Amino acid sequence: DAGVTQSPTHLIKTRGQQVTLRCSPKSGHDTVSWYQQALGQGPQFIFQYYEEEERQRGNFPDRFSGHQFPNYSSELNVNALLLGDSALYLCASSLLMTGEQPQHFGDGTRLSIL
Amino acid sequence: SQELEQSPQSLIVQEGKNLTINCTSSKTLYGLYWYKQKYGEGLIFLMMLQKGGEEKSHEKITAKLDEKKQQSSLHITASQPSHAGIYLCGADIKPGNTPLVFGKGTRLSVIA
Repeated sequence: DAGVTQSPTHLIKTRGQQVTLRCSPKSGHDTVSWYQQALGQGPQFIFQYYEEEERQRGNFPDRFSGHQFPNYSSELNVNALLLGDSALYLCASSLLMTGEQPQHFGDGTRLSIL
Repeated sequence: SQELEQSPQSLIVQEGKNLTINCTSSKTLYGLYWYKQKYGEGLIFLMMLQKGGEEKSHEKITAKLDEKKQQSSLHITASQPSHAGIYLCGADIKPGNTPLVFGKGTRLSVIA
């Protein structure tokens, strides 16, 4: 049973560029949440997708956008990258209707902005 | 302001010693989750607590949620090098399937 998988594992970009990160949820899960974890901090909630729509959103600017596909996989897009966007981006999946917790996390994508 | 406060921020213990990590909230917790993270890697689920006074154990790790559901502790007995890592508490601060709020983590080092 595959867990949450994320790609790529590492990424280096320069300021102003755009990036897309990908996530496949754990088998059977229908909800994907994205978190940003800066160095030395706990993860911060970005947004959550369910039924291909953004269900909840944290305190992140519109430069951060996402998408969920019919197969429940998800993408996180960040435009106009800033140095402060350097972080570990974590994807978590769950089953919404049962309120299943805990959320299952992937290994993350390490994004470095030069 | 940080909704979940973890203490201590870092901890160095000698192998074989016991240790406790605390997680405190100013709000009622509807669910409290402990995760472990190796540097730069994903979160590994350890335990989930939902009821006031609840206590769970797995191997040498015990987690408790106080009666008021505003504080949790994680206790490791006879620490081993494999226990080293960052311990994060995450919480539901609203009922229902809501995004988790996390503390900043406690970095644990275990020395021989």
